[in-house]
Amino acid sequence: NAGVMQNPRHLVRRRGQEARLRCSPMKGHSHVYWYRQLPEEGLKFMVYLQKENIIDESGMPKERFSAEFPKEGPSILRIQQVVRGDSAAYFCASSPGDSLNQPQHFGDGTRLSIL
Amino acid sequence: GNSVTQMEGPVTLSEEAFLTINCTYTATGYPSLFWYVQYPGEGLQLLLKATKADDKGSNKGFEATYRKETTSFHLEKGSVQVSDSAVYFCALKAAGNKLTFGGGTRVLVKP
Repeated sequence: NAGVMQNPRHLVRRRGQEARLRCSPMKGHSHVYWYRQLPEEGLKFMVYLQKENIIDESGMPKERFSAEFPKEGPSILRIQQVVRGDSAAYFCASSPGDSLNQPQHFGDGTRLSIL
Repeated sequence: GNSVTQMEGPVTLSEEAFLTINCTYTATGYPSLFWYVQYPGEGLQLLLKATKADDKGSNKGFEATYRKETTSFHLEKGSVQVSDSAVYFCALKAAGNKLTFGGGTRVLVKP
């Protein structure tokens, strides 16, 4: 399966800890997107990255959240000092380019639970 | 800004019934439109897409037509199966390359 790979699938953290979510895009895809899904809600855009560049971070909370997509390795979404409200499913998607008619392909998500 | 509105669920149907999920949008420019499906515990899978007015996307018996005059992209299937039980998301992509999603519609098909 050469789809978008996310890990871990489930992550449990205590308040104040750090959470690191990883995403490997589909082969040949250089554009990565992170979305957050709160319980019983739709997905909300967080950040759009290309290799070594943040293209659009307009959906990221101003504090505690950061994202990177290094030249080598997966994209990382990092949440510092987690709080209960960070509990959600975090989905990564990828696409080969930025054409308007190209769909984004999603991973199975990381379900983050904050104790 | 861009927005997508879809009918709230849950929608409960019997097997072989006709399914319609309404979706309307507001967007600057000329967006591409998508339907995604999410099965329990999984990520979103692309169901179909349409990129210009009057385009019809279709896949697995599902269809949706891009209606620019009514800014709509309603999803239809003529005869649903139990395996179609899932959450369906309508989404648009305009300039900026990010997807804007509706709130999702849960569909439950009973045998």
